[in-house]
Amino acid sequence: DGGITQSPKYLFRKEGQNVTLSCEQNLNHDAMYWYRQDPGQGLRLIYYSQIVNDFQKGDIAEGYSVSREKKESFPLTVTSAQKNPTAFYLCASSIMGGRRYEQYFGPGTRLTVT
Amino acid sequence: RKEVEQDPGPFNVPEGATVAFNCTYSNSASQSFFWYRQDCRKEPKLLMSVYSSGNEDGRFTAQLNRASQYISLLIRDSKLSDSATYLCVVTPPSGTYKYIFGTGTRLKVLA
Repeated sequence: DGGITQSPKYLFRKEGQNVTLSCEQNLNHDAMYWYRQDPGQGLRLIYYSQIVNDFQKGDIAEGYSVSREKKESFPLTVTSAQKNPTAFYLCASSIMGGRRYEQYFGPGTRLTVT
Repeated sequence: RKEVEQDPGPFNVPEGATVAFNCTYSNSASQSFFWYRQDCRKEPKLLMSVYSSGNEDGRFTAQLNRASQYISLLIRDSKLSDSATYLCVVTPPSGTYKYIFGTGTRLKVLA
């Protein structure tokens, strides 16, 4: 079955530690995205990538970093510079084309930093 | 003005009722439009794309009004399982692959 996987589902870290969230897709989509969702709030874009070895900052990129070494993979690192890292992190992917196609989401990772 | 605005609700409706949500967007050149459904503590799932001519999928109907810059979602014969948050998504004009999400409208269908 094609889809997007994120691991782990729950992640707990101490303040001051960097942590990397995994995102893998086998949909053969070119574009991949990372969002953050806080309780009762909408999705906010952290980073997105349209092609391997290239990515763009979203609206809240500070304190985060990404890489796109393979088409299928788009890991997100939450660094110690991120002031409020506790949140629900969602990875998504989409086809690229002349029009904007629908995005598909992974199941998400809930990160808690104490 | 927010780029995409939705009434947060909650909309509490009895089973079998018809309910409609609107979503307004600020950029008149927005390109594509979608409705997603998000259950509590889960990822958003695509409900339907919204086409200029309007489109229907079973009990769900989506409409686009470019002149007034809003999209709508109509749910007929509501089921308990329709209880969720409905997210409106808009894409800006060509040149960027950003998707802009509304904060969602919460629907509760009551027995």
